[in-house]
Amino acid sequence: SQKIEQNSEALNIQEGKTATLTCNYTNYSPAYLQWYRQDPGRGPVFLLLIRENEKEKRKERLKVTFDTTLKQSLFHITASQPADSATYLCVLYNQGGKLIFGQGTELSVKP
Amino acid sequence: DTEVTQTPKHLVMGMTNKKSLKCEQHMGHRAMYWYKQKAKKPPELMFVYSYEKLSINESVPSRFSPECPNSSLLNLHLHALQPEDSALYLCASSQGDPGQGRKLFFGSGTQLSVL
Repeated sequence: SQKIEQNSEALNIQEGKTATLTCNYTNYSPAYLQWYRQDPGRGPVFLLLIRENEKEKRKERLKVTFDTTLKQSLFHITASQPADSATYLCVLYNQGGKLIFGQGTELSVKP
Repeated sequence: DTEVTQTPKHLVMGMTNKKSLKCEQHMGHRAMYWYKQKAKKPPELMFVYSYEKLSINESVPSRFSPECPNSSLLNLHLHALQPEDSALYLCASSQGDPGQGRKLFFGSGTQLSVL
C-alpha cells in the first residue's frame, strides 16, 4: 500500500542547531514533493517544492533534498530559532490528481 | 493580495442545525479545495473544484455540500452533522492543477464544534 512517513516523534533541538526532518514514502513515484509549515490552529503555509529531477533546493535557512532511489526527502533548518517551532508537513503529488499529506513532524526549538 | 479568507473562524452548531462555511480568494486561482483536519492529524482532502466545476469528491457524506458560486468563492454547506465531524475545516486554492507543481495557499480555517 502507499505510505508517507515522517519522523513519528516530536523533534526537540537547541536554538542554533540544525533541525533535520525526514519524509519517507513507499509505492509512490511523485513528480514532486512539497514541504509546508503549520502552526496550531492555522492553515499550512508553503515552504519549498522540489521536483524529481532535482537533488537539492535551498531557500534562506531551509534546505530540501530529494532522493528518488531511497524514496526519501530530508528537510533541514539551519541556525534554528524558537520561532521555527511548528509542525512540518511533507506533501506528495499523487498521479491520481491529489496532494497527499504526511502526518507531520512537530519541531520544538528551545532557547 | 495573497490571502485566502475563511469565515467564520469558529462555529458551534447542534446536530439539527444548517450552517455554511465561506472561503474567498482574489489571486485569480482556478482550483479551490476543502480539507478537514483533526487534532494532531494531517489535512484530509474533501473536495476539489477546478474552474468552478467539482472535480474531486473524496466520498464525503452528503451532510457536507460544497458550492462554488464563482471563481473567487467557495462554500461548504453543513446539515445534520455528527459530533465526530468536529474539526478544523481548511480552504485552499492553487493557481492551477496540482499536477503542474502548483503550491496550495491555505486559509486559517474554521474550527467547527458539533454538539
